[in-house]
Amino acid sequence: AQSVTQLDSQVPVFEEAPVELRCNYSSSVSVYLFWYVQYPNQGLQLLLKYLSGSTLVKGINGFEAEFNKSQTSFHLRKPSVHISDTAEYFCAVSSNAGGTSYGKLTFGQGTILTVHP
Amino acid sequence: EPEVTQTPSHQVTQMGQEVILRCVPISNHLYFYWYRQILGQKVEFLVSFYNNEISEKSEIFDDQFSVERPDGSNFTLKIRSTKLEDSAMYFCASRGGNYGQQYFGPGTRLTVT
Repeated sequence: AQSVTQLDSQVPVFEEAPVELRCNYSSSVSVYLFWYVQYPNQGLQLLLKYLSGSTLVKGINGFEAEFNKSQTSFHLRKPSVHISDTAEYFCAVSSNAGGTSYGKLTFGQGTILTVHP
Repeated sequence: EPEVTQTPSHQVTQMGQEVILRCVPISNHLYFYWYRQILGQKVEFLVSFYNNEISEKSEIFDDQFSVERPDGSNFTLKIRSTKLEDSAMYFCASRGGNYGQQYFGPGTRLTVT
């Protein structure tokens, strides 16, 4: 079984400031890691994903995340945020148990990022 | 870019009624999912579907729920007798190969009164 903990339910930040949204996971097997963004009244859009290889992954809209296996973390960062980044961000994991994976996603509770002018 | 579509966008129903939520996944995808998000809570997995059968389901997905891919393009979630606690946003998702990302639809907001 997997679980995901997003340590901050809300993160307020000023425009052009850097931001980090924290995500820790727990799993008995290897995992794939994802960050999704949900804008108000919309569905979930993939920001970035870690499947294998380099632990630093870059996504859309200038976001990046670093997979740290020893810390079981996958924190999301952006060096300079914009008003339009205001949204809810979800960290998610799925099992990488080898062979065919049905890919069920387990989500964290979400972090609401509010960017102030 | 291909996208997952869902209908209706909002469904209001009375307790005890049956509802069918419809999804059209991306056409060449093989894996299909339903998730739900109760207002203010996290997104929860309901069921996954592959090769015309359920591959995994959560404890939420009890006998009141069923899924079907009736015609090779639509993917439906049926709730036989809705309860107040079924009120939520329901998301459909689809995935191509084993390691591809899941693409989510815009969701159907179900309100049970």
